[in-house]
Amino acid sequence: DAGITQSPRHKVTETGTPVTLRCHQTENHRYMYWYRQDPGHGLRLIHYSYGVKDTDKGEVSDGYSVSRSKTEDFLLTLESATSSQTSVYFCAISDGAGEQFFGPGTRLTVL
Amino acid sequence: GDSVTQMEGPVTLSEEAFLTINCTYTATGYPSLFWYVQYPGEGLQLLLKATKADDKGSNKGFEATYRKETTSFHLEKGSVQVSDSAVYFCALDKLNSGYSTLTFGKGTMLLVSP
Repeated sequence: DAGITQSPRHKVTETGTPVTLRCHQTENHRYMYWYRQDPGHGLRLIHYSYGVKDTDKGEVSDGYSVSRSKTEDFLLTLESATSSQTSVYFCAISDGAGEQFFGPGTRLTVL
Repeated sequence: GDSVTQMEGPVTLSEEAFLTINCTYTATGYPSLFWYVQYPGEGLQLLLKATKADDKGSNKGFEATYRKETTSFHLEKGSVQVSDSAVYFCALDKLNSGYSTLTFGKGTMLLVSP
């Protein structure tokens, strides 16, 4: 299995609070991605990174920011969490060859 | 824009039944096509892939053939097991700019009973 961990695995927070989710990889892959998974929508891309300090927006980036200061870590921040951001968040990595490897996910509940 | 359409689930089958999950896509150019599987409580795992027309991807008894003429990539298995119960996602990747950018379908849940 690809070495990808996500933390925390579960989080409950209140509306309006900032939240940061962490993705850590041990594969030294260049590309990293954040998705959210919601019933009836499949997986939707939030942001992705194509190198240290190089990031870009995905399909559903509003309300989210990301940072990548090291190859192995990709952080997703919800600036001010809302109930619509209750979801399961998945991190993925790729070496650019076409296959993405996924982490175990973080279940976030915003009350 | 690019899109992937899968049959809605859940698909409910008895053990040893034949499985088909339909997937069609809309994309310009020549995308690579994938099936990912998500077991309960886990992340997605690549099940199989095909990178050009008429390629057949296969893994763990599952197969799918890249049909450019019908823009389809249907997943099949001859005899399902209870352990195949999971959510299956069809996806395409155009490798724009030389790196992976996946577009997923909404997923199809498969439930297999003994």
